[in-house]
Amino acid sequence: TQLLEQSPQFLSIQEGENLTVYCNSSSVFSSLQWYRQEPGEGPVLLVTVVTGGEVKKLKRLTFQFGDARKDSSLHITAAQPGDTGLYLCAGAGSSNTGKLIFGQGTTLQVKP
Amino acid sequence: NAGVTQTPKFQVLKTGQSMTLQCAQDMNHEYMSWYRQDPGMGLRLIHYSVGAGITDQGEVPNGYNVSRSTTEDFPLRLLSAAPSQTSVYFCATSIGPDEKLFFGSGTQLSVL
Repeated sequence: TQLLEQSPQFLSIQEGENLTVYCNSSSVFSSLQWYRQEPGEGPVLLVTVVTGGEVKKLKRLTFQFGDARKDSSLHITAAQPGDTGLYLCAGAGSSNTGKLIFGQGTTLQVKP
Repeated sequence: NAGVTQTPKFQVLKTGQSMTLQCAQDMNHEYMSWYRQDPGMGLRLIHYSVGAGITDQGEVPNGYNVSRSTTEDFPLRLLSAAPSQTSVYFCATSIGPDEKLFFGSGTQLSVL
């Protein structure tokens, strides 16, 4: 069974600080997706990383896929209160089974 | 376009009652899925479908049934609700397995 471990589970920081969220597994994934979820809503896709070592930037958010495609990170620079939410990583197995595996999520609170 | 529509938004059941959570999409997506979200456990896949007439089990299928008679609709049935099924349920669609998921806004279910 493929598992994705996210850390930390909770993060409370001040506006302007930097942070990194990690998504780790012992399994290889063909691709990895990052979602953000706000209270009362469904998750919304931020980015998909496919190639080992790939780095993608979305404004102040930087996503990296590990060289071995077993882990990923999300780095936020100069966090803002609007970044507050639940961040979820989801991995796709190599056999295109349709079973995306989600991590437990990281709850981020950015205080003004 | 409405995207992915889930009904109801909230539901309270007594143990042993049955109910159907509705999911409808107007995106013409072949892939549809049901997830449950519990605190600290991320999203867990219940059932999924890669097209009309085809369904398969996810990680936590016990206690749930699905059918897919049309591309647009993918209802989730609880035949005999149990307190362990108290959760937030999300329906999601995509153009294909392991692709970007589009989520509904969720159904909050409490089983007493």
